[in-house]
Amino acid sequence: EAQVTQNPRYLITVTGKKLTVTCSQNMNHEYMSWYRQDPGLGLRQIYYSMNVEVTDKGDVPEGYKVSRKEKRNFPLILESPSPNQTSLYFCASSMTDNPGNTIYFGEGSWLTVV
Amino acid sequence: GEDVEQSLFLSVREGDSSVINCTYTDSSSTYLYWYKQEPGAGLQLLTYIFSNMDMKQDQRLTVLLNKKDKHLSLRIADTQTGDSAIYFCAEGTGNNRKLIWGLGTSLAVNP
Repeated sequence: EAQVTQNPRYLITVTGKKLTVTCSQNMNHEYMSWYRQDPGLGLRQIYYSMNVEVTDKGDVPEGYKVSRKEKRNFPLILESPSPNQTSLYFCASSMTDNPGNTIYFGEGSWLTVV
Repeated sequence: GEDVEQSLFLSVREGDSSVINCTYTDSSSTYLYWYKQEPGAGLQLLTYIFSNMDMKQDQRLTVLLNKKDKHLSLRIADTQTGDSAIYFCAEGTGNNRKLIWGLGTSLAVNP
């Protein structure tokens, strides 16, 4: 089954404690991205990756890092989380960045930073 | 900058038709999308339409595009309780990197 898998699904952490949200897709997709979803602000792109070892900033990259060492994995790293990073995070992938390619989303990761 | 707007809430009775509206500002949009987000789940592509089309029908879903008014609508015929979700409109001009998303319309279907 084609899917994008994120972990953890739910996490409460403390300010400053580094954390990583993993993302894996099994569709051999080249393009992957991370979004955060906040009330009243909708979906905002954090980082994206066109292919292995190719990453770029989205609209709200501050406070986040990513890596793309393998095609299937695209972890989101919060080096020093702060309360304003409390949000619902989605990983997504598509075959390429061609707009005709369907974007597949993970189920989301609820992150609370206290 | 580019913007996509949707009404935030819509409530319908089961069996009625639902119409969710979206307006966008970027006249160079080439693709317009409707995504569905069910509670506790990620977004799922429902349908999309190319900018050179006026209408697209897919089973209970009808998408209408008015390019002149930059208005997109999604009609769900015979709405069911399982259609209760948040529906996102998005538009893209050249690639998936630059999709502009609306804030989503929360559809409530009442028995």
